[in-house]
Order: sequence, then C-alpha cells, then structure tokens
Amino acid sequence: GAVVSQHPSRVICKSGTSVKIECRSLDFQATTMFWYRQFPKQSLMLMATSNEGSKATYEQGVEKDKFLINHASLTLSTLTVTSAHPEDSSFYICSAPRTGGAYGYTFGSGTRLTVV
Amino acid sequence: AQSVTQLGSHVSVSEGALVLLRCNYSSSVPPYLFWYVQYPNQGLQLLLKYTTGATLVKGINGFEAEFKKSETSFHLTKPSAHMSDAAEYFCAVRAGAAGNKLTFGGGTRVLVKP
Repeated sequence: GAVVSQHPSRVICKSGTSVKIECRSLDFQATTMFWYRQFPKQSLMLMATSNEGSKATYEQGVEKDKFLINHASLTLSTLTVTSAHPEDSSFYICSAPRTGGAYGYTFGSGTRLTVV
Repeated sequence: AQSVTQLGSHVSVSEGALVLLRCNYSSSVPPYLFWYVQYPNQGLQLLLKYTTGATLVKGINGFEAEFKKSETSFHLTKPSAHMSDAAEYFCAVRAGAAGNKLTFGGGTRVLVKP
C-alpha cells in the first residue's frame, strides 16, 4: 500500500535554530502534501498544502516565512521550521491524498519537535 | 466549508463493552467521511471511510460506522472493546470528490478498563 515516510521522528533543537522535516512518498507520486500541527491532546490543524512544482498554500494565521515548505519532486516534501522557539514545539504530521478514486490519505508517522 | 464535531473528548469503556464514538458533520456538499485512530506519538491510521453507496461501512479491527444524512452523523461503533482499542480517534470530513482537504474533529480519547 501507499506509504509516506516521515523523518525525523523526534528532534530536539535549540531556540533560534532551524529544523527540517522530510516526508517521502515511497511507492507512489504525491503531487500534493498536507502539513498538520498537533498540540498535546488536541486535534490536527492544517498548516499548509504543498503542491509539486508550485508555491505552498498556507492556512490563515500560519507564518509562511517561519514554516518554509518545499515540494521539489513528486516524492519529497519538506517543512523547515526557521528560527524555532519553544512555542513551536509540537507534533508535525504530513499527509498525502491518494489518487485513483481511493479518496483516502496516507499519513506520515509524525515528528515530535522540542525546542529548548 | 465543512466542520466536524465529536461529542465527548474522553470515553471510558470496560473491556468487552460497546464502544460508541459520536461524530456530527457540516458540509455544503455531499461529504466524504473518515474515521482515523492515532496511537501515542504516531501518525493516523484509517479505520474506515464513507464516500458513496452503502451507508453502513465496515472497517478494520471490528469497527463500523453508519452515515445518516438526515442526522448529519457518522458515529463509530465496535460491539466489544479490547484493551488495544485504547487510543485517540478522529472523525474527518472532506467536501466530496471535488474536495481535497480533510477537516478533523477535536478527537475522542478512548480508555479501556479491564
């Protein structure tokens, strides 16, 4: 079945540094990737939608200069948290919609970011 | 636009008892509806989905859900809870075939008591 590999699973970084999270579609082409943020014991909030070869679309209230999204190929989308601060600590999850009428989504396993 | 409301942020059931998780949606177009399960520090796993056709949908691990248009509901049930069902459950809606984004409910945490 369709698999999205997300790395790293956990990362701790110092305040002010940048962190890159990668999501790779292993056995299918992901023309679109959704990026979510999940605070503890809360639901998933859509941050942005990336499309291969074009600029990402950010949800209202999400700083595009802080959360840089790149979707340079059909199998790789990245989220870079720039100048991270403790309030950016969260669980980040990517998801790719499946095509071919399946109308489903494949989720990455998530990245736990802790900014100290 | 669409939205999802999950009634009850926490549900506690005894092992072997019925699991019922409630989900109500709002959508301006015929919705596609999903239930996902999330274990700690993991991504989401699809339990089942409704797109068109039969309104009673069976999923993995013994779960099923029924789409009721008149009630705008898509409640999730399992006849007999197992300890391994302890997790967070999310209901989500998509604006039919033309839509692409998923909108999630607030989630329901299930605790299973021995």
